[in-house]
Amino acid sequence: NAGVTQTPKFRVLKTGQSMTLLCAQDMNHEYMYWYRQDPGMGLRLIHYSVGEGTTAKGEVPDGYNVSRLKKQNFLLGLESAAPSQTSVYFCASRGLYTEAFFGQGTRLTVV
Amino acid sequence: AQSVTQLDSQVPVFEEAPVELRCNYSSSVSVYLFWYVQYPNQGLQLLLKYLSGSTLVKGINGFEAEFNKSQTSFHLRKPSVHISDTAEYFCAVLNTGGFKTIFGAGTRLFVKA
Repeated sequence: NAGVTQTPKFRVLKTGQSMTLLCAQDMNHEYMYWYRQDPGMGLRLIHYSVGEGTTAKGEVPDGYNVSRLKKQNFLLGLESAAPSQTSVYFCASRGLYTEAFFGQGTRLTVV
Repeated sequence: AQSVTQLDSQVPVFEEAPVELRCNYSSSVSVYLFWYVQYPNQGLQLLLKYLSGSTLVKGINGFEAEFNKSQTSFHLRKPSVHISDTAEYFCAVLNTGGFKTIFGAGTRLFVKA
């Protein structure tokens, strides 16, 4: 099993550009998450989904949008990238009473 | 809302010495607790988890943790560390019946020869 797969792995954007990060899981998990990781701040929750067609805001949702049109996919969008969004982004999924499984991360730089 | 505090941002230790990484949590309801490890340029991997039952939990790579409800702690321990244990370690909490896993800021373990 592939588990949780994120694409792309690296990206450089110019300020104001848009992009979409894709997360795919093959474990039939209901819950999916997007986190950002910054030095000294751990992982902060951006948005999450508790099932197909649902999304909810996490701790730091501003500047991001998400969609979960299919159970296995969770997309994170940046409509107008800012340097403050330079970070490493992690997608995770989990079942009802299980731990979260993580992707390998996307390193995004906004210049 | 739940929260997690990892009391040490960095822990340097010599090879073959014991180590303890400290984690305290706050929640108004019952919780599940987790420790994850992150090696450089990789995602997070589960080390161990507490869902219920025995408060002493054993995980991979010789790590163990003890859930202490009265002190709201879940400290991670290893009796003898190796160079390969150098990594960042994250404590996480999930309220039972909740949706969001909340992570601590991380502890960087540096094992010296």
